[in-house]
Amino acid sequence: DGGITQSPKYLFRKEGQNVTLSCEQNLNHDAMYWYRQDPGQGLRLIYYSQIVNDFQKGDIAEGYSVSREKKESFPLTVTSAQKNPTAFYLCASSIEGYSNQPQHFGDGTRLSIL
Amino acid sequence: DAKTTQPPSMDCAEGRAANLPCNHSTISGNEYVYWYRQIHSQGPQYIIHGLKNNETNEMASLIITEDRKSSTLILPHATLRDTAVYYCIVRATNTGTASKLTFGTGTRLQVTL
Repeated sequence: DGGITQSPKYLFRKEGQNVTLSCEQNLNHDAMYWYRQDPGQGLRLIYYSQIVNDFQKGDIAEGYSVSREKKESFPLTVTSAQKNPTAFYLCASSIEGYSNQPQHFGDGTRLSIL
Repeated sequence: DAKTTQPPSMDCAEGRAANLPCNHSTISGNEYVYWYRQIHSQGPQYIIHGLKNNETNEMASLIITEDRKSSTLILPHATLRDTAVYYCIVRATNTGTASKLTFGTGTRLQVTL
């Protein structure tokens, strides 16, 4: 079945540690996105990528980094510079970034601080 | 993107139609209306989207008023598994660059026996 796979489902980070969240899609979508969701709040865009080897900052990129070396993969690294990383992280993809086609989401990674 | 307004919560009896309203009075001509839902601890699930015509798929129907200032998502026969937070989102497209989805607080739909 086609879809978006995020791993791990739960992740724990120690102080000063970088962690990487995985996002893989087999939908052949060009555009991919990372959002952050805090309890009781809406989603906020961290980074997005419209095409391989290109990505753009979203509204809250500080303390995060991404790469897009393959069409199907868009990993997110939460660095030690992100002082409040505890949140639910969601990856999404769409056929193209600027068309009316919808974004489809994975099931998320919940990150907590030890 | 235009702002949307939704009621914070609604109840619906199982088997009945659930009608979820959304107000988007400042919508622009190139903005589509999207509906997603989120079940606790899962990623948002895409339901349906439209520009100005009514749309129907296997999950739901979307009714958009002629002036496009409001819309209604209809789940024709609600089940307990439809209990979720439903988000109405307005998003500009065909702008040449990728655009984000701006999720508000949505409507919490509770389907009851």
